[in-house]
Amino acid sequence: DQQVKQNSPSLSVQEGRISILNCDYTNSMFDYFLWYKKYPAEGPTFLISISSIKDKNEDGRFTVFLNKSAKHLSLHIVPSQPGDSAVYFCAASAFGNNNDMRFGAGTRLTVKP
Amino acid sequence: DVKVTQSSRYLVKRTGEKVFLECVQDMDHENMFWYRQDPGLGLRLIYFSYDVKMKEKGDIPEGYSVSREKKERFSLILESASTNQTSMYLCASSSYEQGGGSNQPQHFGDGTRLSIL
Repeated sequence: DQQVKQNSPSLSVQEGRISILNCDYTNSMFDYFLWYKKYPAEGPTFLISISSIKDKNEDGRFTVFLNKSAKHLSLHIVPSQPGDSAVYFCAASAFGNNNDMRFGAGTRLTVKP
Repeated sequence: DVKVTQSSRYLVKRTGEKVFLECVQDMDHENMFWYRQDPGLGLRLIYFSYDVKMKEKGDIPEGYSVSREKKERFSLILESASTNQTSMYLCASSSYEQGGGSNQPQHFGDGTRLSIL
């Protein structure tokens, strides 16, 4: 049973515009959320995280928003750049136990020049 | 920078063979993980280890075993490879933060694409 869902397998945006990647989760015990980026032929790399005590975390062009009541988080990339083209995975864990981290299926982002 | 190295990028094996996938990390991390990545399913945890000689089953341990004889090395073993084990295998490691648990991101290797014929 997929506790973390990324319902959009792909997203295409124009360079300079905003990219919004979405993620939904079902387990109300999740309290730590992460986004990973994966280029072809490389492993996922950690991008940004947020704990459940916050509703927003920002790091440069990347912002993650958490809506606990809706069990929804999103990653905003502004402005989008062609180098952002990759697969983005959402992940979540509970009680500080990152040994039990659940991943979404990923969203492939394409940023067109 | 954390470096997680997987011994092979591509591997082709035959049904019934015993297959070893090796992973080494250089950051003295306590935790190490093996995942497989399949289209539409994301990353699924096979096994993890939180210390030398310790191992815990993940979501899909059937058909796999692991070995952690040294802190920096975590091996995944396919006891008798089958075609449904054709996949991308990813190793990861993370540190354990003392005093209340860990919320440390996992660091991944570049993956091993395994094909079982």
